[in-house]
Amino acid sequence: TQLLEQSPQFLSIQEGENLTVYCNSSSVFSSLQWYRQEPGEGPVLLVTVVTGGEVKKLKRLTFQFGDARKDSSLHITAAQPGDTGLYLCAGAQGGSEKLVFGKGTKLTVNP
Amino acid sequence: DAGITQSPRHKVTETGTPVTLRCHQTENHRYMYWYRQDPGHGLRLIHYSYGVKDTDKGEVSDGYSVSRSKTEDFLLTLESATSSQTSVYFCAISESYKGPDTQYFGPGTRLTVL
Repeated sequence: TQLLEQSPQFLSIQEGENLTVYCNSSSVFSSLQWYRQEPGEGPVLLVTVVTGGEVKKLKRLTFQFGDARKDSSLHITAAQPGDTGLYLCAGAQGGSEKLVFGKGTKLTVNP
Repeated sequence: DAGITQSPRHKVTETGTPVTLRCHQTENHRYMYWYRQDPGHGLRLIHYSYGVKDTDKGEVSDGYSVSRSKTEDFLLTLESATSSQTSVYFCAISESYKGPDTQYFGPGTRLTVL
């Protein structure tokens, strides 16, 4: 059973467009993290959200944690080719030392 | 960048042979993790460690064993490799003792089992 469902699985857009990717679950998470992974490399943390309803901004990226702490979204404004990569959400439950990862959204931004 | 190295970075082996992958960290972080990443499955946890000689299973632990005799090293062993274990393996580290914190990932090991 996949606890975290990411959508869309693939996204190909033109430079300058806006996009939103989603990370949904029927389970409650104490925190959610978003990672970005480039080909041939390991994932790199972008942000952690811990409070229901929390919104965090990282330059052109806006992250939101759902009020019920079951879902999250990542919005990119004016996408650039450098945003190309695999975006992964990961959730922590209770006091677990483990993270549960979604399958990822593969984003391609074409010049 | 967190000091995490993985070795080897690439390996091709034959079915039935033993394989050991090494993860080495210079951050003195308590937690270490082994994941595998496969198309359509994302990152799946194999085993993790919460201290020297303290390890536990993840969701896909069958066919894998781990050892951690020093804080800085976490070894993943495939006792008898199978083609289904062809994958990219990532090691990650985390320092938090209160639950999951930022996980820093190594560069990965691409393993092919023929």
